[in-house]
Amino acid sequence: EIVMTQSPATLSVSPGERATLSCRASQSVGSNYLAWYQQKPGQAPRLLIYAASTRATGIPARFSGSGSGAEFTLTISSLQSEDFAVYYCQQYNSWPLTFGGGTEVEIK
Amino acid sequence: EAQLVESGGGLVKPGGSLRLSCAASGFTFSDYNMNWVRQAPGKGLEWVSSISSASSYKYYADSVKGRFTISRDNAKNSLYLQMSSLRAEDTALYYCAGSSWYWYFALWGRGTLVTVSS
Repeated sequence: EIVMTQSPATLSVSPGERATLSCRASQSVGSNYLAWYQQKPGQAPRLLIYAASTRATGIPARFSGSGSGAEFTLTISSLQSEDFAVYYCQQYNSWPLTFGGGTEVEIK
Repeated sequence: EAQLVESGGGLVKPGGSLRLSCAASGFTFSDYNMNWVRQAPGKGLEWVSSISSASSYKYYADSVKGRFTISRDNAKNSLYLQMSSLRAEDTALYYCAGSSWYWYFALWGRGTLVTVSS
């Protein structure tokens, strides 16, 4: 099983600032089979990024994904009020599919 | 607009059974691989089970293997999860999620709550 570890658990950021979230896999996730999701309180998760760096339909350009192998980053270039949420990474290289524990981005 | 609507959740006693359903609309259901993902109260996301578009392949998390069965009916645009021998640790919000060719979750329902308690 590929274990996904996200850091930090909580990130305090002021609106307009950049946020950098990390996701590390216990082994390579192959051809960058890595996705990022955003979840707001009381809502279902929403796909942000797949294939490590491809934005999903309708996702603003301020969200970007990077990385390869086992180290990945989600960057939010200038945080908007609607971006304060929990973010999860997920690998889909092998079974079982696994998620990281999440990073909560909170208002500083 | 693509939509997934889960139903069938509720309160069940330990050892009991429950069948979840997910109704799909607004997209070609038979083209999508489908999944169940759960989230225990206040916790993170946990993948539960997946089924390929033509039901050729089925996958389960170790935590539910032998107790849960995933199935689909493409003629009815529906996904199912038959859950048996339920445990307290199965208490969670169960999401239906759709995947395209690759197994990331592009489409999500709003979830149905399963509570296992005596």
